[in-house]
Amino acid sequence: GQNIDQPTEMTATEGAIVQINCTYQTSGFNGLFWYQQHAGEAPTFLSYNVLDGLEEKGRFSSFLSRSKGYSYLLLKELQMKDSASYLCAVRDGDYKLSFGAGTTVTVRA
Amino acid sequence: GAVVSQHPSWVICKSGTSVKIECRSLDFQATTMFWYRQFPKQSLMLMATSNEGSKATYEQGVEKDKFLINHASLTLSTLTVTSAHPEDSSFYICSASHLTGGDVQPQHFGDGTRLSIL
Repeated sequence: GQNIDQPTEMTATEGAIVQINCTYQTSGFNGLFWYQQHAGEAPTFLSYNVLDGLEEKGRFSSFLSRSKGYSYLLLKELQMKDSASYLCAVRDGDYKLSFGAGTTVTVRA
Repeated sequence: GAVVSQHPSWVICKSGTSVKIECRSLDFQATTMFWYRQFPKQSLMLMATSNEGSKATYEQGVEKDKFLINHASLTLSTLTVTSAHPEDSSFYICSASHLTGGDVQPQHFGDGTRLSIL
């Protein structure tokens, strides 16, 4: 099975930058994914990494170090609408996704 | 982008009823579809993996006779919760992925089905 850890919650101010860390232990690895989930809604795909390094997509960036079993999601220029749960998920050798418990980000004005 | 449609979005029914949930990939052929369940304030838990034309693979602890999965085509998978009871009340979400250039693309999720059993 997978063991995926991420902080439970984070709070930041509008316009600031937030970094959500994720560590994992996995049997087989086929990518690490970040999803955003608003309360009562399904997850929305944000970013993914298969190789080490940084992937940038607008205000969101994700970083991966496979040797360290570590990833982070960087949210820049925070907006109120970014208040949500952010899920770190690892795809294993069978292409199944295992999710972390999620990090609830609260953006304050 | 990849679009996954899930229907219905909300179901309220009596205990003992069977409920069918549909998951469709609208603009791509889904080689694999996944069914998840999410309880309040918890993360998504994979229930089963569904490949077109073959039997679904269920995760440990998930009763295959209670949660019937059919993946009849590359664009449609269904989950039937048979003889549902209040403890089956949850948020059920499907996802689909496909191959592009030999690489399996990220999973895209349907909007989810909130099931409430009275």
